[in-house]
Amino acid sequence: GQQVMQIPQYQHVQEGEDFTTYCNSSTTLSNIQWYKQRPGGHPVFLIQLVKSGEVKKQKRLTFQFGEAKKNSSLHITATQTTDVGTYFCAGRLVSGTYKYIFGTGTRLKVLA
Amino acid sequence: KAGVTQTPRYLIKTRGQQVTLSCSPISGHRSVSWYQQTPGQGLQFLFEYFSETQRNKGNFPGRFSGRQFSNSRSEMNVSTLELGDSALYLCASSFLGQGEYNEQFFGPGTRLTVL
Repeated sequence: GQQVMQIPQYQHVQEGEDFTTYCNSSTTLSNIQWYKQRPGGHPVFLIQLVKSGEVKKQKRLTFQFGEAKKNSSLHITATQTTDVGTYFCAGRLVSGTYKYIFGTGTRLKVLA
Repeated sequence: KAGVTQTPRYLIKTRGQQVTLSCSPISGHRSVSWYQQTPGQGLQFLFEYFSETQRNKGNFPGRFSGRQFSNSRSEMNVSTLELGDSALYLCASSFLGQGEYNEQFFGPGTRLTVL
């Protein structure tokens, strides 16, 4: 079946270090969304990428969508303790019924 | 604008029982999606309802069902509960639904524990 994998599963960084999570789909995606879930919270929408090769920035966060629309990445520059949480990508499938498949998530811990 | 609300927030049931969870979307949103979140499986898509019709469905057994009312509120039902159904059940609303480029707004979830 369709799968969206994320690596790494966990990441511990020192505050101020950079962080990157990668999202890979087994099938071509129509678009991809990124969500952040704080510990004990619910997923909160961060951004959406639609075009092949698209790059978007939100302050210290940079999001990329691969040329083949099968992979994506989220890069955080100079992490802060407020960045702690689990980051999920969610890809919308092109073929068949439209639905979002969530990635396995990357749990980020930032050490002060 | 009020966010997505889910009731109850916590629920404890025993194997074999059934449970109904409720979700009220953001006002004006017509699409409600349900997800199951567990530590081992992550966020798994259950189904999506739009204008009272189920539009998309995940790979869950028939024990999981749902419906949507004319006011867009949605309910999810799980019959004959199993231990493996213990999870956080999240609902998400969006303006147009999963077929369009819309962000999903998640509710706080219902934590279901099956004993």
